[in-house]
Formats: sequence, structure tokens, C-alpha cells
Amino acid sequence: AQTVTQSQPEMSVQEAETVTLSCTYDTSESDYYLFWYKQPPSRQMILVIRQEAYKQQNATENRFSVNFQKAAKSFSLKISDSQLGDAAMYFCAYRGNAGNNRKLIWGLGTSLAVNP
Amino acid sequence: GAVVSQHPSWVICKSGTSVKIECRSLDFQATTMFWYRQFPKQSLMLMATSNEGSKATYEQGVEKDKFLINHASLTLSTLTVTSAHPEDSSFYICSAELRLARAPDQPQHFGDGTRLSIL
Repeated sequence: AQTVTQSQPEMSVQEAETVTLSCTYDTSESDYYLFWYKQPPSRQMILVIRQEAYKQQNATENRFSVNFQKAAKSFSLKISDSQLGDAAMYFCAYRGNAGNNRKLIWGLGTSLAVNP
Repeated sequence: GAVVSQHPSWVICKSGTSVKIECRSLDFQATTMFWYRQFPKQSLMLMATSNEGSKATYEQGVEKDKFLINHASLTLSTLTVTSAHPEDSSFYICSAELRLARAPDQPQHFGDGTRLSIL
């Protein structure tokens, strides 16, 4: 079975600085997708970034980028120029691409605080 | 972007009441909808997966007679918590997905969640 591990329950960063959130996963599948979701205090789930496993190039969305290391099964999220609005829970998630197995496998989350 | 509407956002009711939560995909047809439960400061726990027109697939440990899921159309799924008790109090979130053979990487789009409090 697939698993997702986020080893940092809490992180903090100074405003305008860069922070990296770690995520590792375990799978025997070769074709899958990885996601980072943000959940602010409003509890809305917001997709931050996604990565297709077959793509070697790391995904980037403005200040958010990932370091995808397929062999190491690592999928870290880098937030550059951190802003106060980035404070939230961040969840890493895995989804296979086999048949009807579309459900997301979630990490336990990392709570990110942004200090002014 | 894709929008999923979840209603109500907050409900308080007496023990023994049945509560219905609706999840609608507003600008796309959702072939699959997912229902999650989330306890404070914890991750999302998948309760069930529903495909339009078929019975929901429940995760192990989730009582299907307690949490009734209906996915009668491509834009609407409902979760009914039957005879709710205080231990059912939680945050419930739905998500919807459009599965396209030509674009298998479609992400799940989430509703804003429902905070359920049973007195």
C-alpha cells in the first residue's frame, strides 16, 4: 500500500525568507501524481502545485516549487519570499493512476507559521 | 477554475437528528466525488468514494448505514449522517473530480467543508 510521510509537524519562517517542507512517499507504482495542498484557518483545501511522476522537470507555480526526486521518493515543497498569507497547514498527497484507484493518500500535514 | 459548492457550511443539531450535506460541482461534471472527515489539527480521512449512478465504496471502518451517500447526478452528491450523535461532530469535506481519458491528471477540487456539531 502507498504511504505518504511528512516528518515536520510544524515549521516556521520569517516573512520574505524561503522555507522547504519535506514529503516522502512509498509506492511500487511507476505512474502516479503528487500534490501539495494548502489549508488555511478557513479550512478550505487549496491546490498549491502538482507533479506528474513521468515528468523529470520540477513543477513551479510562482513562488512555489517542488524538488521531485523520483528515485528517492521525495517531493519537497519550497516556498520563496514567504508571505503572511502562506501561514497554513500544508498537506502532501499521492494519487496512483491505475484503473479506478483515484483516491488521494495524504500525509499528516505540516503547520507553517510565517513570522513578520 | 473548477468550483465545488458544499452546503451547509455549519450546522448544529440535536442528537438523534439526521443531517444532509450537499456537494455540487458548479462548472463541470464530476464523475467521481469523495467524502472526507477531518478532526482538528489532523489530516483528511477518506470516508467513501462515489461514482455517479453507482453505489459508494466505503473505506474500512466507515459505517455505510450511518453515513449514507447518494450520487444521483454528475453534479450532485449528498452525505446524510443518520441519527447523529455527539461523536459524529466533525468537519466534513467533499471533493469532486472529472476523469478524462485524455487528461488523467485532473486534480480533485474541494468544497469549503461543513462543520457539524451535534448537541
